[in-house]
Amino acid sequence: DQQVKQNSPSLSVQEGRISILNCDYTNSMFDYFLWYKKYPAEGPTFLISISSIKDKNEDGRFTVFLNKSAKHLSLHIVPSQPGDSAVYFCAARVFKAAGNKLTFGGGTRVLVKP
Amino acid sequence: ETGVTQSPTHLIKTRGQQVTLRCSSQSGHNTVSWYQQALGQGPQFIFQYYREEENGRGNFPPRFSGLQFPNYSSELNVNALELDDSALYLCASSPGGSHYTFGSGTRLTVV
Repeated sequence: DQQVKQNSPSLSVQEGRISILNCDYTNSMFDYFLWYKKYPAEGPTFLISISSIKDKNEDGRFTVFLNKSAKHLSLHIVPSQPGDSAVYFCAARVFKAAGNKLTFGGGTRVLVKP
Repeated sequence: ETGVTQSPTHLIKTRGQQVTLRCSSQSGHNTVSWYQQALGQGPQFIFQYYREEENGRGNFPPRFSGLQFPNYSSELNVNALELDDSALYLCASSPGGSHYTFGSGTRLTVV
């Protein structure tokens, strides 16, 4: 039962162009969504998040879009830089009074070519 | 901020053995979660502790257990290790809010 899916295991993009990462979810109770970036031998690093009451959140080169009716979110990175090469995970949360576990997608490996 | 520190970084154990993984959370982070990340997959939630009590558990058997201590450190214990337990184990802490800080993980190999 994969409640969060990232259907593209990998993405290759030229430096300076836009990277678009997609994520689909099935649980309509998810109220908060996050994107993490992971380099080899490091833990996931928080990038950007969005609450289910919003449809867009922007932070510098990173923008996350949420389409609740389609149960779809996307992360746009523009312009892409070689240092953005990493694995990106989409994660979602159902808020509970006693715990906020994150449900992760399988990840998308991004390669930014100079 | 001191970050989240996990030890050891790598570990090799034999099937049937027991293992304890350790995590030192950031000061003030009273919530700690543990995740298992198998090769090529996203992290899977094992359980969460809040103020030293388990308050959420994923689909993992009871041989996965944990402890959280008042000094913001925590442990993940796995008994009767199986080959499928080979994975990267991640600890994540939070001050109770929405953002989690992850450690670099412990790579466990069961042979």
